[in-house]
Amino acid sequence: ETGVTQSPTHLIKTRGQQVTLRCSSQSGHNTVSWYQQALGQGPQFIFQYYREEENGRGNFPPRFSGLQFPNYSSELNVNALELDDSALYLCASSLVSSGGSSGANVLTFGAGSRLTVL
Amino acid sequence: EDKVVQSPLSLVVHEGDTVTLNCSYEVTNFRSLLWYKQEKKAPTFLFMLTSSGIEKKSGRLSSILDKKELFSILNITATQTGDSAVYLCAVRPAPGTSYGKLTFGQGTILTVHP
Repeated sequence: ETGVTQSPTHLIKTRGQQVTLRCSSQSGHNTVSWYQQALGQGPQFIFQYYREEENGRGNFPPRFSGLQFPNYSSELNVNALELDDSALYLCASSLVSSGGSSGANVLTFGAGSRLTVL
Repeated sequence: EDKVVQSPLSLVVHEGDTVTLNCSYEVTNFRSLLWYKQEKKAPTFLFMLTSSGIEKKSGRLSSILDKKELFSILNITATQTGDSAVYLCAVRPAPGTSYGKLTFGQGTILTVHP
C-alpha cells in the first residue's frame, strides 16, 4: 500500500508567479484535502476534492484553485503569489463511501511541498 | 468559526519524564477529535476520539476526551528522545460538512533531552 506522495518537495518562486503542486493519494482513497501550514502554525484547511469536484473550502481567496483527476490524484494551483503564501503545503487523502460517509477514516498526510516566495 | 487551542505551546523535558498536552476546542458541529504527531513534515495519526471518558492507549501514549468541558489531553509517559516532535490536535466536523476539513490547533512543540 503506497502512502500519499507530493511533488515537488521544495520550490522557490517570486511574487506574482504561479505555482502548481501535485499529490497522489494513498491507494484505495478517493478524497483529497489540501492544507497550508505556515511556520510555527497548525495546518489550515484550503479545500477538499471528492468525485473530481471541490467539496468544501476554507478561508482562502479564489487564486487558490485545484483539480482532482479520475485516478484521485490532485493539483493545487496558486496564482499571483504573495510573500505570505510561503508555507508548507500538505495534501491528505481519505476514503469516503458512495453514501457520502467518511466513517471512522482518518486523513493520511503526505510529506508536503515547501514553497518559498521571494 | 471553529477554534482549537493547544497548551503549552512548547515543552522541554528529560528522558523518562511524563508530559501532558492540552487541547481545548469550540466547534459548531463536533464529530471527533484527532491527535497527530509531526516530526519533519508529514503529520502522522495517533488517536481519534469521539466519546467522552473513554481512554485510548497506544504504548506509552494515551488520550482522553471530555465533551462536556470541550477539551482533550494527550499523555506521554517515560518520554524518549524519539518523542520530540510537534503534537497537533484537530477537530472534525459532523457529517454533512466537508469530511476532510479538520480545524487544527497551533501545536505543542515537545523537546525531550537525553
